Amino acid sequence: QVQLVESGGGVVQPGGSLRLSCAASEFIFSNYGMHWVRQAPGKGLEWVAFIRYDGNNKNYAESVKGRFTISRDNSKNTLYLQMNSLRAEDTAVYYCAKDRTTVTTMDFDYWGQGTLVTVSS
Amino acid sequence: EIVLTQSPATLSLSPGERATLSCRASQSVSSYLAWYQQKPGQAPRLLIYDASNRATGIPARFSGSGSGTDFTLTISSLEPEDFAVYYCQQRSNWVALTFGGGTKVEIK
Repeated sequence: QVQLVESGGGVVQPGGSLRLSCAASEFIFSNYGMHWVRQAPGKGLEWVAFIRYDGNNKNYAESVKGRFTISRDNSKNTLYLQMNSLRAEDTAVYYCAKDRTTVTTMDFDYWGQGTLVTVSS
Repeated sequence: EIVLTQSPATLSLSPGERATLSCRASQSVSSYLAWYQQKPGQAPRLLIYDASNRATGIPARFSGSGSGTDFTLTISSLEPEDFAVYYCQQRSNWVALTFGGGTKVEIK
């Protein structure tokens, strides 16, 4: 069964930085695009970023462009999200999610359990 | 950005009843629409992709229809485990994926 396990969340001050990780297992990680999706407390879902299977193509939501960087290490089966210049409105549960097929589809068939990021002074 | 509007915001129904959820796009997304179910404290789960295709392991009581700007998720007969929040998501614009605001299906 596909497993995605996020880590790295916590409390950070406005303007600070945090790096999230997502450890993947039980599928061929290097064959699939991956995403980060977030959910503010009590709110809906917001797509954050995408990285192609080989790391050579990345897309970002306008709300995080220039502040967040998605990356991956296929040798470690791990996805990352480097978050800089954090704002209160970045407070959310951050999910990593797997693209549905090896041909990039930009929808999500498996999700991790999420990691909470709280931006507060 | 493609805006997805879901209605109603809340649907109050009894087990065994039929649920009809709507998702309307601000511009055509062809058939590039997915539906997800989310229960409290859990991650979302993919139900339907490309408007009408059930994901692996999804019961046949869930069905999706529509194309262009108007889409429907139907649950033919609600089971107790179906009470949850449902989101639609478009993948027509790859550089700006968007979700609808969600429909909560609650027990009447």
